[in-house]
Amino acid sequence: GAVVSQHPSRVICKSGTSVKIECRSLDFQATTMFWYRQFPKKSLMLMATSNEGSKATYEQGVEKDKFLINHASLTLSTLTVTSAHPEDSSFYICSTSDRATHNEQFFGPGTRLTVL
Amino acid sequence: DAKTTQPNSMESNEEEPVHLPCNHSTISGTDYIHWYRQLPSQGPEYVIHGLTSNVNNRMASLAIAEDRKSSTLILHRATLRDAAVYYCILRLYSSASKIIFGSGTRLSIRP
Repeated sequence: GAVVSQHPSRVICKSGTSVKIECRSLDFQATTMFWYRQFPKKSLMLMATSNEGSKATYEQGVEKDKFLINHASLTLSTLTVTSAHPEDSSFYICSTSDRATHNEQFFGPGTRLTVL
Repeated sequence: DAKTTQPNSMESNEEEPVHLPCNHSTISGTDYIHWYRQLPSQGPEYVIHGLTSNVNNRMASLAIAEDRKSSTLILHRATLRDAAVYYCILRLYSSASKIIFGSGTRLSIRP
């Protein structure tokens, strides 16, 4: 099946810094990518839908100026957590689907962000 | 998005079948029933999906009620590696269709 990678897998940063997380589709073109966050023992919460070449669509309650999403190519979407604070510490996961098999979503392995 | 209801947790013995139920009484005619699972500290992975008929693949079987208001994911012979959170999700047939996760069922397997 299709492979989605995320980088980094784990990041620790100081409060006030910005962190960029990359999501890549390795063997197919991803027109649409999704970004989720997950707190411990909780379910995944959809943050935004990222469309190649256009602005992302954010879910209600997600600050677009806080969580910057860029989807400049068909294989790469990035999520930047700006001026991170401890409450932004979470597990961030991206997903996408191959247009050829659009019933199956492929998820990345996740990025664990810890803000000190 | 149509809502699904699942038990919070279930336990099963290793090498026995597991039946994970899901209720989706407000399902619409264009919703597909998807199941994903998430192992600890990993991203979710696709398990199976269906529309009206029962489905089988190498991981599991999906039994869909005739009125489509409920479904059951069947693991035929549970192993310790099947311990995960299982999510039942309704989704439109489209690569651009987003997935909204419910709380899922945490499955524990006893050795």
